[in-house]
Amino acid sequence: DAGVIQSPRHEVTEMGQEVTLRCKPISGHDYLFWYRQTMMRGLELLIYFNNNVPIDDSGMPEDRFSAKMPNASFSTLKIQPSEPRDSAVYFCASSFVRKETQYFGPGTRLLVL
Amino acid sequence: GESVGLHLPTLSVQEGDNSIINCAYSNSASDYFIWYKQESGKGPQFIIDIRSNMDKRQGQRVTVLLNKTVKHLSLQIAATQPGDSAVYFCAENMGNTDKLIFGTGTRLQVFP
Repeated sequence: DAGVIQSPRHEVTEMGQEVTLRCKPISGHDYLFWYRQTMMRGLELLIYFNNNVPIDDSGMPEDRFSAKMPNASFSTLKIQPSEPRDSAVYFCASSFVRKETQYFGPGTRLLVL
Repeated sequence: GESVGLHLPTLSVQEGDNSIINCAYSNSASDYFIWYKQESGKGPQFIIDIRSNMDKRQGQRVTVLLNKTVKHLSLQIAATQPGDSAVYFCAENMGNTDKLIFGTGTRLQVFP
């Protein structure tokens, strides 16, 4: 299996631009998680889905952030408009069932200028 | 000005020695725990997990110990190698949620 796939791996954009991050979970996994990692705050859970349905989005920082999962093999995290403080590494992770290991993708390193 | 980030505790060990990385978890209701390893520029990688009905679990060169009385988790790495150099995170899962809560991490440095 290819593991969790994220794209792009690196993104540099200017403040005010829309940013879309993409994730393909491991096939057969029912749970998908979006995390953000920064030096200041460590690894934070933003939102997670179960069977394509958003379950908990309490970690989404503000309305500029949105996430979708249109099908079992694809999810997006969108930031519109982006701000410099959004600069971070964004990870997607998936797990097979509840309370099992989450497998992380390689991350998208976002820099907002 | 210089930004203030999380202070990562650092453990420095000599190649071939055993390493012990400690973690205090926050919630007595947590019943599932995982250790992850994160190398520079990569995503967290699963090492080993343990459920609250166990107090010890062994993998290849790694052992996780769970002490529920004091809410403490440890990761032991036998015969530490240069490739073990990374940041190690413990994570806990509370019984009534699907979420993992991650610790701040410990940096392991292995020197020859």
